Amino acid sequence: DSGVTQTPKHLITATGQRVTLRCSPRSGDLSVYWYQQSLDQGLQFLIQYYNGEERAKGNILERFSAQQFPDLHSELNLSSLELGDSALYFCASSVGGRLQNIQYFGAGTRLSVL
Amino acid sequence: KNEVEQSPQNLTAQEGEFITINCSYSVGISALHWLQQHPGGGIVSLFMLSSGKKKHGRLIATINIQEKHSSLHITASHPRDSAVYICAVPSGGSNYKLTFGKGTLLTVNP
Repeated sequence: DSGVTQTPKHLITATGQRVTLRCSPRSGDLSVYWYQQSLDQGLQFLIQYYNGEERAKGNILERFSAQQFPDLHSELNLSSLELGDSALYFCASSVGGRLQNIQYFGAGTRLSVL
Repeated sequence: KNEVEQSPQNLTAQEGEFITINCSYSVGISALHWLQQHPGGGIVSLFMLSSGKKKHGRLIATINIQEKHSSLHITASHPRDSAVYICAVPSGGSNYKLTFGKGTLLTVNP
C-alpha cells in the first residue's frame, strides 16, 4: 500500500459528461502529480501541485482542470468528455516538489467514456 | 523535450535468469526514475537515481550520466517479477515534469 488513495477505482460515463477524480496524498507529502495512461500514448504527465499551488503543467487539455485543497487532497475535473479520454488516471505524491523525490502512486482510476 | 528509449520492448525469461532492461535519453538530467507496473495496473517506484548505482534486494539500477544511459538488472528472476518496467526522466530541463519511456514488458516463466 503506497499510502496514496484514489477514488473512484472505476468510472463509466457518457460522452459530454463531467467527472471528478479524487486523490489523497500520503501523510506529510506536499506535492501531488496527475498522470494519464492510455494504450496509444503511454504514461503522460498532466499537472503538478505543491502545497496548494500549481507547480507545473504538462499535456493537460483545456477541458481538464485540477486543484489542491488546504488539506492537500487534490481533484482532477474532466469535462465535455470524449471517447479518447478513456484511460487510467494516476495520482502520485512526494514530500518535495522536485523530481529528485520518490513519487508514490495511487492505484489509479479507470475511466471509460461510452 | 527529452526523448526516452527503452529496450527491449518485450522480454521473456526463464525463472532464475539475469535480466537487463535498458533506457537511453537525449537530454542531460538531474534524476532518473524506474517504475514497475503490475498486470493489475498499479505502479510502484523502484528507484530514483542521479549517479552511480543503487541496489534493493534482487534489483540493481545503474546510470551513466555521460552516456545518457541507465540499466535495470534483476538477478535470479522470479515469475512474480513479471510486469512492465518503465523508465522516466525530467522533460527537457524541467525539474517538475517527467517524460516516460514506453515500457518493457517482462514475462518470467517458471
